[in-house]
Amino acid sequence: DGGITQSPKYLFRKEGQNVTLSCEQNLNHDAMYWYRQDPGQGLRLIYYSQIVNDFQKGDIAEGYSVSREKKESFPLTVTSAQKNPTAFYLCASSIRLGSGNTIYFGEGSWLTVV
Amino acid sequence: LAKTTQPISMDSYEGQEVNITCSHNNIATNDYITWYQQFPSQGPRFIIQGYKTKVTNEVASLFIPADRKSSTLSLPRVSLSDTAVYYCLVGDTRGNEKLTFGTGTRLTIIP
Repeated sequence: DGGITQSPKYLFRKEGQNVTLSCEQNLNHDAMYWYRQDPGQGLRLIYYSQIVNDFQKGDIAEGYSVSREKKESFPLTVTSAQKNPTAFYLCASSIRLGSGNTIYFGEGSWLTVV
Repeated sequence: LAKTTQPISMDSYEGQEVNITCSHNNIATNDYITWYQQFPSQGPRFIIQGYKTKVTNEVASLFIPADRKSSTLSLPRVSLSDTAVYYCLVGDTRGNEKLTFGTGTRLTIIP
């Protein structure tokens, strides 16, 4: 089945800890994205990548880091510098950058800081 | 990336047709208009895309006037399961811009 797989679905983190959210796609897409969504709010772009070994900051990149060592993988690390990380995180991909291309989303990951 | 404006929320009764309008006054020649639907705790999913005039698929229709400065997503005979947030995106297929979603339109279907 083609698509985007995010893991874990639910994650709890203690304050001061870094956590990494996994995102894998088998759609052979060049572009990948990470969004954050707070309850009742829209999607905010954290980071995006248009090709392997390249990534750019989105609107709320502070406290987050990413890597794009492989075309199919785009993990997101939520660092201890992110002061309010409790949120729903969504990974997405498209064949290339440009919002005229269909964007495919994963099922999301819930992160809770305890 | 063309800026879009949508109503924040809408209510409708089951069985009615619902029209959600998106304004995009600075749409560019090569831009497409794409709508997504998002249910709670899920990622948005593609509904429909168009460039001009009218596009129809099995779930919705998209109406785009000649000047393309707005578009209307039409959902025929809505049911409770259509309660969701709907996002309008405008852009081309080869842009270098980051993909930014707005807050969308929260549609609530009333029994």
